[in-house]
Amino acid sequence: SAVISQKPSRDICQRGTSLTIQCQVDSQVTMMFWYRQQPGQSLTLIATANQGSEATYESGFVIDKFPISRPNLTFSTLTVSNMSPEDSSIYLCSARGGRGYNEQFFGPGTRLTVL
Amino acid sequence: SQKIEQNSEALNIQEGKTATLTCNYTNYSPAYLKWYRQDPGRGPVFLLLIRENEKEKRKERLKVTFDTTLKQSLFHITASQPADSATYRCALDADNYGQNFVFGPGTRLSVLP
Repeated sequence: SAVISQKPSRDICQRGTSLTIQCQVDSQVTMMFWYRQQPGQSLTLIATANQGSEATYESGFVIDKFPISRPNLTFSTLTVSNMSPEDSSIYLCSARGGRGYNEQFFGPGTRLTVL
Repeated sequence: SQKIEQNSEALNIQEGKTATLTCNYTNYSPAYLKWYRQDPGRGPVFLLLIRENEKEKRKERLKVTFDTTLKQSLFHITASQPADSATYRCALDADNYGQNFVFGPGTRLSVLP
């Protein structure tokens, strides 16, 4: 299995600012993803973080708002740009495709509150 | 469009009983069906997966069935305990690449002592 950590675990931010969330996996993985989970809701995929190339975004999410980096096989960042209160949510990093498993694992999440 | 339903938003059962959660889907052909547990304020934790050519899978007190004809999976927790209280989500996975991975809305299970 993979152990995924995220930083920060939570933050309270002002409208118009940006926050970068870091995701670290304890082993090399093929795929990394970023999800958003609004209170009481299920998880929605934001994008697939591709190593060495631009992320692949789902409908309704754009790179200018959610720039993503993935410099290697164990690390990725998601930036929430020009935040508004509607961006208040939990952001989760996910990974799959490590050696010997095809389960998809999730980080603990970053709880973001935008004032 | 793809649609996943889980039998109820919330389910209350007595400790020691078997909890049965249902996942139904339409407009999807999953290669895998996965069940996750999520506690408040935490990320989902993977529990079990079942492949499209498998009928049943067991792991300790957990049992999952998968009927691709009915487009339904059942998730059972036997001898339930208060510590099993959490939200359980099914997830459909069409391939091994993650982009066609879709979560259900979840069922919040409460096991009463």
